[in-house]
Amino acid sequence: GNSVTQMEGPVTLSEEAFLTINCTYTATGYPSLFWYVQYPGEGLQLLLKATKADDKGSNKGFEATYRKETTSFHLEKGSVQVSDSAVYFCALAPDNQGGKLIFGQGTELSVKP
Amino acid sequence: DGGITQSPKYLFRKEGQNVTLSCEQNLNHDAMYWYRQDPGQGLRLIYYSQIVNDFQKGDIAEGYSVSREKKESFPLTVTSAQKNPTAFYLCASRIRDRGTDTQYFGPGTRLTVL
Repeated sequence: GNSVTQMEGPVTLSEEAFLTINCTYTATGYPSLFWYVQYPGEGLQLLLKATKADDKGSNKGFEATYRKETTSFHLEKGSVQVSDSAVYFCALAPDNQGGKLIFGQGTELSVKP
Repeated sequence: DGGITQSPKYLFRKEGQNVTLSCEQNLNHDAMYWYRQDPGQGLRLIYYSQIVNDFQKGDIAEGYSVSREKKESFPLTVTSAQKNPTAFYLCASRIRDRGTDTQYFGPGTRLTVL
């Protein structure tokens, strides 16, 4: 079946450090891949997405590349800020399933000044 | 100002009572979704609707009911049959953009059953 696995958190970094949050997936066909961010007490915000192999999604300094050969969609940022502290969710939308999303369990990021 | 609204933000109910959570969108999206989030976990799909007057069960539909009488509205009722209703509930709507389905989320309702 379809599933998403993220690295466990919490991840604690100092400001300006490099961030990687790993995400791997299992799916048939050609799913679309997403990263969402959730700030405390709020809903999810779309951070970036990629729809086919080798696509790179990017937004607000975050990037992720759709790697079909390794079934991965790792999130990266070159220099994190305190304001990036949040929970990050990787998700996939399987082919032809009404736009349903399958989520990973989320990775909490804490950035210290 | 387009978006998805959920009300109320916080909701308290006594055990055994049904409660209805509101979700409204003015984005003209056809599809809408309800998810449940428990602490430290990802989101799980409860129900979804791709068009008015039609909806499908998600992965954890037991103890919940929905209706879709208008395109803009997709209320969720948490019934007394739901064994553990205390959770954060998120509503989303979906747009198809250049062949890709993308969901956008509301701010959520935190339900606490006492």
